[in-house]
Amino acid sequence: SQQGEEDPQALSIQEGENATMNCSYKTSINNLQWYRQNSGRGLVHLILIRSNEREKHSGRLRVTLDTSKKSSSLLITASRAADTASYFCATVTTGNQFYFGTGTSLTVIP
Amino acid sequence: DGGITQSPKYLFRKEGQNVTLSCEQNLNHDAMYWYRQDPGQGLRLIYYSQIVNDFQKGDIAEGYSVSREKKESFPLTVTSAQKNPTAFYLCASSDRSSGNTIYFGEGSWLTVV
Repeated sequence: SQQGEEDPQALSIQEGENATMNCSYKTSINNLQWYRQNSGRGLVHLILIRSNEREKHSGRLRVTLDTSKKSSSLLITASRAADTASYFCATVTTGNQFYFGTGTSLTVIP
Repeated sequence: DGGITQSPKYLFRKEGQNVTLSCEQNLNHDAMYWYRQDPGQGLRLIYYSQIVNDFQKGDIAEGYSVSREKKESFPLTVTSAQKNPTAFYLCASSDRSSGNTIYFGEGSWLTVV
């Protein structure tokens, strides 16, 4: 399987704190993406970082990518209760195949 | 509205029966995908199709079948050969026009009774 892995599997923080989750993968990639899933719903795209980029920002999200270590991290700053969800990384090959990680379940306590 | 529509949302299947999950997209995307998600787990790729009349097996294709006769439709059949079909099924599509991001439907819950 080319599925990636994320850690931690579960994360619980207080509102206002920062949340960091990590993703490790196995394949060569064209880009890496992060998605969010609310319970029982489909996934929603958050941010994309290309293989030649090292860091990207979007609002309260910051993503880093280290292709030498085949790893990425997602930082959510100033977390809110509405950020409670599962977060998945997806590696995308040059053949446009998507491989999703195992996910991090984030709980933000008001 | 543009998007991906999966139906039904909830489906119950008796053992030994085949069932078909519908997936329709009006995003004009070339590529479509089916993923399986078990409770508390990540997504595993069942089948994908990069173009009409062509599809490829993913990591867990055994016990499943698909067709891609039209660009907008990619139905998934869960056959009786799939021994543990109870799961959440997600359909998705992508295209270079979408910036290589993948759009998901709202999912279908399949339960074997």
